[in-house]
Amino acid sequence: GAGVSQTPSNKVTEKGKYVELRCDPISGHTALYWYRQSLGQGPEFLIYFQGTGAADDSGLPNDRFFAVRPEGSVSTLKIQRTERGDSAVYLCASSLNRGNTEAFFGQGTRLTVV
Amino acid sequence: AQTVTQSQPEMSVQEAETVTLSCTYDTSENNYYLFWYKQPPSRQMILVIRQEAYKQQNATENRFSVNFQKAAKSFSLKISDSQLGDTAMYFCAFILNTNAGKSTFGDGTTLTVKP
Repeated sequence: GAGVSQTPSNKVTEKGKYVELRCDPISGHTALYWYRQSLGQGPEFLIYFQGTGAADDSGLPNDRFFAVRPEGSVSTLKIQRTERGDSAVYLCASSLNRGNTEAFFGQGTRLTVV
Repeated sequence: AQTVTQSQPEMSVQEAETVTLSCTYDTSENNYYLFWYKQPPSRQMILVIRQEAYKQQNATENRFSVNFQKAAKSFSLKISDSQLGDTAMYFCAFILNTNAGKSTFGDGTTLTVKP
C-alpha cells in the first residue's frame, strides 16, 4: 500500500482478554516500530524491528506484551490478559532503514479495555 | 536516558502570524537527530522537519524552520505565515545515532491557529 496501515482502527475488549494489533508497513521498509500513546502524552517507544528480528524491545512494559514480524513485513503486537491501564493508542511506523531516516506512521489503533 | 521536554502544553496564533514552539532535551551523547512531528486529529504523525546534531545550520522546510542550540540543548520550531491547517499537536523527538530505532518524544504542544 501507499502508507502504513494499522488494523483495527479501534478495538474495545474486556479486561483479561487477549488482543492482536496488526501493522502493515510501507513496502520495502526494513525498519518497523511500535509506540504507545496515552491520552495527553507523547508516543512511548515499545519495540523496534530491523527485518524479522527485534533489534530493541526495551520498551515493552512487561511480559504480557509481545510482538512478531515473521516475514520482515507485517507485524503483530500481542497483548495478553489485558488491563485497563493498557488503554491507549498504539502507533506503528516504518522507515526505509534505520530510525535516523524519515519514519512514516500509521493512524494507530485505539485500544480500550473495559 | 534521554529526555525531551515541551514546556508549552497549548499555544494559539492568529492566521498569517508567526509562532514558536519550544523544546529542550537532555543527553550526554554527541551524535543524534532531532525531529518535529505534527499530529492532527486523524492521529497520523507527520514529519515536519529534521535536524542532524552535527550540522550547525538550522534546518528549514518552507514555512517551518528550527532554532537549534546544541550547547543549550534547545530545539525550537518556528512556523511562519500560520495557516488554519497547521492546527494540530506538535511533538519534538530525539533519536541517538547509536540506537536509531528508538525515538524519545516530548508530551506535545497543542497549536490552534485562529482565523
